[in-house]
Amino acid sequence: SAVISQKPSRDICQRGTSLTIQCQVDSQVTMMFWYRQQPGQSLTLIATANQGSEATYESGFVIDKFPISRPNLTFSTLTVSNMSPEDSSIYLCSVEGSGTGAYEQYFGPGTRLTVT
Amino acid sequence: RKEVEQDPGPFNVPEGATVAFNCTYSNSASQSFFWYRQDCRKEPKLLMSVYSSGNEDGRFTAQLNRASQYISLLIRDSKLSDSATYLCVVNTVMDSSYKLIFGSGTRLLVRP
Repeated sequence: SAVISQKPSRDICQRGTSLTIQCQVDSQVTMMFWYRQQPGQSLTLIATANQGSEATYESGFVIDKFPISRPNLTFSTLTVSNMSPEDSSIYLCSVEGSGTGAYEQYFGPGTRLTVT
Repeated sequence: RKEVEQDPGPFNVPEGATVAFNCTYSNSASQSFFWYRQDCRKEPKLLMSVYSSGNEDGRFTAQLNRASQYISLLIRDSKLSDSATYLCVVNTVMDSSYKLIFGSGTRLLVRP
């Protein structure tokens, strides 16, 4: 499976500010995904990011709040804009596996965000 | 109704026990199914995909019942290192893309 890294691993931010999270993959991938995991909850898909096209957002998530860039096949960023304490979560990127398993996804280590 | 439902547990079992987790899903058009494992403060890791005929990987056995929209995971001879949260995950295909729907997870505690 691909090796996925995320930066930063954690951050504490003040409300009203923005944070950009980076996701780097060691191989070229078509689809990258951004998830949120709120405290004590399971994962929720924020958006799907394909290189060369606009990200596709899930219901409840909008581009103004979570702008995404996908400049090439190995990199993506997610920005959490105008943060509030409710944005405190773990944010994870994932990629589809390159093996034979259809739709299998592999996750980065996550970015733990605390908004004060 | 949640799209993917799991018993949250926790399941507290002794080493060597056999434990089974169940999961139901609501979308009959779902095509792919997975079990992920998530350790505390870590990312989810793929444990195994679930195939129609059922599949086994060492001490782990996954089964799928499409008619009942039910997935199970059996862990035999539990180890202390099996303690984690197990996430049932279902794939939904939409237009030209797809999305994974995660259950809320079942927590397993294996005691000495």
